[in-house]
Amino acid sequence: EPEVTQTPSHQVTQMGQEVILRCVPISNHLYFYWYRQILGQKVEFLVSFYNNEISEKSEIFDDQFSVERPDGSNFTLKIRSTKLEDSAMYFCASSENSAGGGQPQHFGDGTRLSIL
Amino acid sequence: QQPVQSPQAVILREGEDAVINCSSSKALYSVHWYRQKHGEAPVFLMILLKGGEQKGHEKISASFNEKKQQSSLYLTASQLSYSGTYFCGTESYGGATNKLIFGTGTLLAVQP
Repeated sequence: EPEVTQTPSHQVTQMGQEVILRCVPISNHLYFYWYRQILGQKVEFLVSFYNNEISEKSEIFDDQFSVERPDGSNFTLKIRSTKLEDSAMYFCASSENSAGGGQPQHFGDGTRLSIL
Repeated sequence: QQPVQSPQAVILREGEDAVINCSSSKALYSVHWYRQKHGEAPVFLMILLKGGEQKGHEKISASFNEKKQQSSLYLTASQLSYSGTYFCGTESYGGATNKLIFGTGTLLAVQP
């Protein structure tokens, strides 16, 4: 069964450093998402992406964050200058078609980001 | 607007039933149910779109009320494998994309 893959599984970074999290969505999916989950808390929406541009972003997704689809398969989340509070599990998700909504989103296994 | 989930946690013996609720102050476009085991990704269970809808597979089913403000997940004859945290993710009307806003989760522990 097709799946969303994320790399790395765990990233440890010094505060202030840049980090790039990578995702390969399911191949025929058109809509891509990043969510994060701080340890022990709920999953929070960060950003959605369609047709090579951001469709929607949350208040968490400030100027330190950016997303990109550099080629036909990868979808990346960059955090420019990491802070301690960025420590969380970051999940990438994709869905086949968002037109009209109501499409299942399939999640990758996540990248655990630890900021020291 | 964040949906409200209840209960926060439930402990069951194998074979017992559980109901998890997810409610919103406004009508929702859809409700998605996920199960997450510790340290793993959320796994999609099912999606409900229509008011009054009921849907299920095997011993896990869900309903969406007519006003589309409340959904319930039903776990019957629970098994050890049902343990995990259950989240509802909700889509609102008028969003640019189907971003999901998740509830705070319900921790389900099934004991032998």
